[in-house]
Amino acid sequence: TQLLEQSPQFLSIQEGENLTVYCNSSSVFSSLQWYRQEPGEGPVLLVTVVTGGEVKKLKRLTFQFGDARKDSSLHITAAQPGDTGLYLCAGASSSGSARQLTFGSGTQLTVLP
Amino acid sequence: DTAVSQTPKYLVTQMGNDKSIKCEQNLGHDTMYWYKQDSKKFLKIMFSYNNKELIINETVPNRFSPKSPDKAHLNLHINSLELGDSAVYFCASRLTSNGELFFGEGSRLTVL
Repeated sequence: TQLLEQSPQFLSIQEGENLTVYCNSSSVFSSLQWYRQEPGEGPVLLVTVVTGGEVKKLKRLTFQFGDARKDSSLHITAAQPGDTGLYLCAGASSSGSARQLTFGSGTQLTVLP
Repeated sequence: DTAVSQTPKYLVTQMGNDKSIKCEQNLGHDTMYWYKQDSKKFLKIMFSYNNKELIINETVPNRFSPKSPDKAHLNLHINSLELGDSAVYFCASRLTSNGELFFGEGSRLTVL
């Protein structure tokens, strides 16, 4: 079983601060995704990274895929209350004819006004 | 229009009962999933169906039985409910060729 560990598990910061969330595994993934989940809703895809070392930016969010494709990070600049939510990384691997996503343990982010 | 819809959104029932959760997607996707999210927010895959065929069946008690009448529907039936079955169950779908998963809003099951 491939495991994805996220850290920190909980993060509470003030509006305007920067933060980084980490997603680590001992397994290699063909691609890695980040999702955000708000209370009472399902996770929503933020980004997919495919190439080792790849960096993608989505406004104030910066995503990086590790060179060995085993880890990833999400950096948020000048966090806002609207960034509050559960952030989940998910690694994709091929399993026979099906591609399976393994989700990380999650990081609950709270941004205080 | 809701892309992935699940019913019911909330379900409270007694131990030992049998219940079903329904899922429908109108995105034309060929793969559908059931995930279980526990109280610690860990999201674990239970089943995956591709074109009505069971592809992934993780270690799940055989009290859980998925049924896919067509590509747009994947229902989950649970027999003899136990306290530990309490969780939020998410249906999701995607195109096999595309990595993005689209999730439903979840069905919160509480077993008393």
